[in-house]
Amino acid sequence: QLQLQESGPGLVKSSETLSLTCTVSGGSITMSSSYWGWIRQPPGKGLEWIGSLYYSGTTYYNPFPTSRASLSVDRSKNQFSLTLSSVTAADTAIYYCARSDLGFLRFFDHWGQGILVTVSS
Amino acid sequence: EIVLTQSPGTLSLSPGESATLSCRASQSVTSSYLAWYQQKPGQAPRLLIYGASSRATDIPDRFSGSGSGSDFTLTINRLEPEDSAVYYCQQYGSSPLTFGGGTKVEIK
Repeated sequence: QLQLQESGPGLVKSSETLSLTCTVSGGSITMSSSYWGWIRQPPGKGLEWIGSLYYSGTTYYNPFPTSRASLSVDRSKNQFSLTLSSVTAADTAIYYCARSDLGFLRFFDHWGQGILVTVSS
Repeated sequence: EIVLTQSPGTLSLSPGESATLSCRASQSVTSSYLAWYQQKPGQAPRLLIYGASSRATDIPDRFSGSGSGSDFTLTINRLEPEDSAVYYCQQYGSSPLTFGGGTKVEIK
């Protein structure tokens, strides 16, 4: 059974860089039809897609919330990562990693449990 | 980007009743590429419906989706206490992927 697990610091200082990793288990990150994404949810608010990537390294980003995001993949560790530079309080959110099948323009059928990241001043 | 507007904001219903949730898009959603998720407190979203009307794996048939173009509906029949959650729609017909603001369903 495919499982995803986010990891990283729960507290980041304003203006610094947020770095999160998603570890995939129960399947390979190189599964031919799988795309891997990040979605965030500010406390008490709705969901926002940040971006997705394919194991080859091809990336797709949402330009609207921020252009500060960067996604990468480590196939040897079955992990993919999110970095978000120059964070502010507005980046405080639960960050989820998730999988979509057959492309990045898809729905998400597997989700991690989420990790709360708080940006402090 | 396509903006999704969900209504109502909150639904308060009794067990056994039916819930009708609306998701309206600012422009037509390509090929009815519209999904619905259920999110309970402290949990990640769970996929319910994709392609506007196809149920995801292990989703009971009490949940059904319909609609096309820019108007979509999630119907939950025979409400159970466990259905208490926030429900989100998501369009995946065009980039960026976008989600609605959510409808909270409360079971009395």
